[in-house]
Amino acid sequence: GQQVMQIPQYQHVQEGEDFTTYCNSSTTLSNIQWYKQRPGGHPVFLIQLVKSGEVKKQKRLTFQFGEAKKNSSLHITATQTTDVGTYFCAAGAGSYQLTFGKGTKLSVIP
Amino acid sequence: KAGVTQTPRYLIKTRGQQVTLSCSPISGHRSVSWYQQTPGQGLQFLFEYFSETQRNKGNFPGRFSGRQFSNSRSEMNVSTLELGDSALYLCASSLGLDEKLFFGSGTQLSVL
Repeated sequence: GQQVMQIPQYQHVQEGEDFTTYCNSSTTLSNIQWYKQRPGGHPVFLIQLVKSGEVKKQKRLTFQFGEAKKNSSLHITATQTTDVGTYFCAAGAGSYQLTFGKGTKLSVIP
Repeated sequence: KAGVTQTPRYLIKTRGQQVTLSCSPISGHRSVSWYQQTPGQGLQFLFEYFSETQRNKGNFPGRFSGRQFSNSRSEMNVSTLELGDSALYLCASSLGLDEKLFFGSGTQLSVL
């Protein structure tokens, strides 16, 4: 079945440093979504990318969808302590399920 | 608008027992998905329901089952519990195929 690889598994950064997490699929995707889960919380939707090569920004967060629609990235500029949590990509392939990556756990050292 | 409601929040069971978890989706959402979350495996897809029909099922044994009612509320059942079933079970609702998911707070199941 659908597999989604997400790296890195963990990332520790100093506050103010940048952070990037990557997501790769073995198959072409119809869309990719990103979620954030705070410690002790549940995943919360951040964004959805649908078009090949699409780039979307939300304040300090930049999301990209690869030209082949097989990979995606989330980049955070100048991290803050409020960015702490686990970031998941979720791949949609039109099969009535979203396949989640294992997530990247971000720690921010003040 | 009320969010996704899952009950109970916490559950402690012993091996061999069975358990039923409940999920009430956001009003108007007809799609309900269930996920198992464990520290090592992340979020694993269990099944998805839309208008009382199961449209997809993940790679879990037959001990895991679910259903959806006419009001879109959903339940999942796990029979003959095993220690490895200890996990956070998350329910999510959406408007439909490939739409964004709204998650509930989950049910934390501990099997002793």
